[in-house]
Parts: sequence; structure tokens; C-alpha cells
Amino acid sequence: SQTIHQWPATLVQPVGSPLSLECTVEGTSNPNLYWYRQAAGRGLQLLFYSVGIGQISSEVPQNLSASRPQDRQFILSSKKLLLSDSGFYLCACSMIPTPTGELFFGEGSRLTVL
Amino acid sequence: DAKTTQPNSMESNEEEPVHLPCNHSTISGTDYIHWYRQLPSQGPEYVIHGLTSNVNNRMASLAIAEDRKSSTLILHRATLRDAAVYYCILRAGGTSYGKLTFGQGTILTVHP
Repeated sequence: SQTIHQWPATLVQPVGSPLSLECTVEGTSNPNLYWYRQAAGRGLQLLFYSVGIGQISSEVPQNLSASRPQDRQFILSSKKLLLSDSGFYLCACSMIPTPTGELFFGEGSRLTVL
Repeated sequence: DAKTTQPNSMESNEEEPVHLPCNHSTISGTDYIHWYRQLPSQGPEYVIHGLTSNVNNRMASLAIAEDRKSSTLILHRATLRDAAVYYCILRAGGTSYGKLTFGQGTILTVHP
């Protein structure tokens, strides 16, 4: 079965510093990959999704970017963090390219921007 | 995306059944109804999904109204480990993308 690894698990960064969160998937090939963010006490917001290497779609305008250099690797980045970037970042994958395909989530990376 | 409405919170006692309601009055004919749950400091976990018929799996049951404008997630015997935020989500048919819109969900508290 698939496994999603995210790191780092926890990160505290100053405003204006760069960011790199990494997600790798094991146990499947050619997955659809997603980055979600959850602000404190709120629901999840889809940030980016990817259907293949180098193919990134952005759902909301923001200070972040995503890249997919390999089939099972998804990276979330920022050149200069803002306070509003704080949150719980979740990587997810779906392995069934049909409307009923469920999402599998990683354990998340908690980012605090000070 | 069609919107869902859930109660902010619900409480239950251990080993009792729990019925978590969800309203989705603007659901379209091709929307699937998905349920996920999220334990504290963890990523969401898939629970169950359905289209028109009621569904059962090892985790829960999903009862879908005949007009599909509402559904109910049923936990047959709540345990302390079922305490989580439960999300009811509509997933558009006709697409291969797992773009889900998570609302605020229902916080389920289970008392021993």
C-alpha cells in the first residue's frame, strides 16, 4: 500500500526566510499529488495539484510555489515567508484516476513563521 | 463546488452509535459524497464515499437520502479513538483530479 512521507515535521522560520517542504510517495507510481494547507482551527485549503512530472496547477494566488521533479516527489517552496504562511501543510496523493478515487494524506508539516 | 453544511460539534458516549448529518442541497447528479476524518495533529483519513445507494465498510456506514440532498455517516459503536473532526465533502464526477473542498467539519467528542 502507498505511504506518504513529509519532512520536516515541524519548522519554525523567521519572516522573509526561504522554505522547502518535501513530500515523497512510496508504493505506487504516477500518482496525482496535492498540497493542502490548514490554518489553525480551520478547514483544509487546496494549494497545488499535479498530474505528472513538471505539471503543476495552482488553486489560489499566494506566496508559495510547487514543483514535481520526479514522479513520486512533490516540493512546496517559498522564497520569502510571510506571517500568513504559518499553518499545517499536508501532502496527499490519489492513485485511482477516477472521480471516486480517495485521497491519502501524509502526516503533515507544521510551519510557524515568526 | 457544491457546498455542504455540518453541525459544528457533536458528542457521544463510548459504545453508542453516532449519526453525523450532512446537508448538501445543491448537489449535482454526478457529485460523489465523501467522508474523511482528521485526528488531532494528523492528516485526514478517508472513511467512506457513495453516490446514490447506502454504503457500508469496516469503519462506518453511509446513508444517503433518496433526493441526495443530505446524508448521514453512521459509526455503529463509537470508541474513544473515533474522536476527531469529520468532514463531509462533495467530489465532482467527470474529473480525475482529487480536488476536494474541506469545510469546517464536525468535531466529534466521545465520552468514556
